[in-house]
Amino acid sequence: EPEVTQTPSHQVTQMGQEVILRCVPISNHLYFYWYRQILGQKVEFLVSFYNNEISEKSEIFDDQFSVERPDGSNFTLKIRSTKLEDSAMYFCASSSTTGRAFFGQGTRLTVV
Amino acid sequence: GIQVEQSPPDLILQEGANSTLRCNFSDSVNNLQWFHQNPWGQLINLFYIPSGTKQNGRLSATTVATERYSLLYISSSQTTDSGVYFCAASYSGAGSYQLTFGKGTKLSVIP
Repeated sequence: EPEVTQTPSHQVTQMGQEVILRCVPISNHLYFYWYRQILGQKVEFLVSFYNNEISEKSEIFDDQFSVERPDGSNFTLKIRSTKLEDSAMYFCASSSTTGRAFFGQGTRLTVV
Repeated sequence: GIQVEQSPPDLILQEGANSTLRCNFSDSVNNLQWFHQNPWGQLINLFYIPSGTKQNGRLSATTVATERYSLLYISSSQTTDSGVYFCAASYSGAGSYQLTFGKGTKLSVIP
């Protein structure tokens, strides 16, 4: 089965530093997403991306976050100036027009 | 937006027992998925089931969209079934199929 791949699997960063989380969605999918899961809590939607632009974003996705599809295969999430509360598991997902989402294995971000 | 509620929040089973996990959603949906989050935090796709019934081995799922609920059945549970089970739903609009997740059911299967 095709899969979404994310790198790195773990990242530790100092507060105030910028981080970039990377994802390679499934190749024929058109919709891309980032979700976040704080430890012990539910998975929360951050942003969706379609046709090279943000289609929806949650109130969590403030000005410190940005997404980009720099080439035909990668999809990135940038956090400009990390805070302690950004520590979470970040999931990338992609879907076709059915809406069925396939998730990557996640990047565990720890801000110290 | 859509609200998703799961029950029970916690479930402890003896190995070999059967269980039913429930997911209620507040509005019409055309996407309903069940996931298993393993101890490493990965979200494993179990079912894509906006309506009807599907079976995969010891697991099966049923969604009754008109009554706004979905059920996940686990039969002959094994210790490897332990983890958190999430239901997630969406109604597709133009350009997005963002999923709303429930809080999950934490399943512990004891030998």
